[in-house]
Amino acid sequence: EVQLVQSGAEVKKPGESLKISCKGSGYSFTSYWIGWVRQMPGKGLEWMGIIYPGDSDTRYSPSFQGQVTISADKSISTAYLQWSSLKASDTAMYYCARQSLYDSSDFWGQGTLVTVSS
Amino acid sequence: DIQMTQSPSSLSASVGDRVTITCRASQSISSYLNWYQQKPGKAPKLLIYAASSLQSGVPSRFSGSGSGTDFTLTISSLQPEDFATYYCQQSYSTPGTFGPGTKVDIK
Repeated sequence: EVQLVQSGAEVKKPGESLKISCKGSGYSFTSYWIGWVRQMPGKGLEWMGIIYPGDSDTRYSPSFQGQVTISADKSISTAYLQWSSLKASDTAMYYCARQSLYDSSDFWGQGTLVTVSS
Repeated sequence: DIQMTQSPSSLSASVGDRVTITCRASQSISSYLNWYQQKPGKAPKLLIYAASSLQSGVPSRFSGSGSGTDFTLTISSLQPEDFATYYCQQSYSTPGTFGPGTKVDIK
């Protein structure tokens, strides 16, 4: 069974760093792109970027380039999303998802809620 | 970036109704169009990929059509579990932009 399991909710202060994770199982982790999607409170879905764990090829949305870093450790089938200096506007739910046919996202993690507040 | 629009932004419908949601891309995306359903507090769920291919396990009352710039999602007979928000997404080029969503609620 394909599963993506994300790390738990985080509460951080502005300026702090953070790395959240997404662990894949039940499939060949190195053979599928993994994407990250942001959903701010009460808002729609925003495509942030994708990574191919097989060779760590990474693509970012211009809206998120330089704001976050996407990485992966294929030895433990885990993708990451990290911030070096959080802002209150980073408060959102973050989802990881596996990309499959026609680059659709067929399996999703349960989401990680990140709250940034002083 | 390719821009995606959806209409309507919300609609009210009754169980058994036929519901159609439209999605438009700012440039041709061939058939690289996906539809997702999201319920409150849950992750999105893939319904349709490649404009008209039904994802495994999704009920056949859901269907998709279109190519180029104009696409539709149709629910042939709305069921109680279908009340949710629906998003289209283009996967023709990065970033894989989503539409703003269409909320389907109970009339």
